[in-house]
Amino acid sequence: GAVVSQHPSWVICKSGTSVKIECRSLDFQATTMFWYRQFPKQSLMLMATSNEGSKATYEQGVEKDKFLINHASLTLSTLTVTSAHPEDSSFYICSARDDRTSGRAEETQYFGPGTRLLVL
Amino acid sequence: DQQVKQNSPSLSVQEGRISILNCDYTNSMFDYFLWYKKYPAEGPTFLISISSIKDKNEDGRFTVFLNKSAKHLSLHIVPSQPGDSAVYFCAASGGGSARQLTFGSGTQLTVLP
Repeated sequence: GAVVSQHPSWVICKSGTSVKIECRSLDFQATTMFWYRQFPKQSLMLMATSNEGSKATYEQGVEKDKFLINHASLTLSTLTVTSAHPEDSSFYICSARDDRTSGRAEETQYFGPGTRLLVL
Repeated sequence: DQQVKQNSPSLSVQEGRISILNCDYTNSMFDYFLWYKKYPAEGPTFLISISSIKDKNEDGRFTVFLNKSAKHLSLHIVPSQPGDSAVYFCAASGGGSARQLTFGSGTQLTVLP
C-alpha cells in the first residue's frame, strides 16, 4: 500500500510552453500533498503544500503564477509549469500524506518517483 | 542557506562492515529527524526517525544517533548489505504545524560485495 505515482516520468518541451505534472495517490486518500524540486546534487526543496479544496501554500521565493497547483480531489494534485524556460529544467517530485494514519505526519508522507523536466 | 547538510556525496563500504552516514543541521527549531532511502527511478522511502528528546533509535540493522549540542545526526547500518546501496537523505522537521520536511542533498551509499 501507500503508492504514489507521477506522470509523466520525463518530459521535454520548448521554451514558452506549459507543462502539467500529475501526482496521484493510488491506494489512499491524501488531503495534503507536497511538491518538491531537486537540482542535480542538491537537496529536495519544498515548493508548495497542496491542500484538497483550497489554495496551495507556496514557499518563499516560489512564484505562484509560474507554478500552478491544483488539488481538486483527494487522490490527485497537479503542478503546471507555465511558460517554461530552460531554468525551470529540474526534477520535480511530489509526496502525499496518508489521511488514514494516526502516526507522525512526517512519517506518513509517501513520495512519487519524480518527473524530470527539460526545457529547450 | 542549507539548513540540513550532508557533506559526503558518496560512501563505499565492504559488505558486512558498518556504514556511517552523517548529517548536520543549523536550525535549532528542528525537533524531529528522519532518514530516507532512494533507489533509482523511485521516490524516497522512509527508513528511520528520531525525536529530539532521544539520542538513539534502533530498528534492526539501522540505528540513528542524535547529538543535539553538535546539531549532528548519523545513520549506522550494520552489517551493510549490497541491497543497501542507494541514496540516503537526511530530513528534519519542526517549528510549524504542517510538519514540513527540510532535506539534505543526499549521500550515495555503495556496498561492495
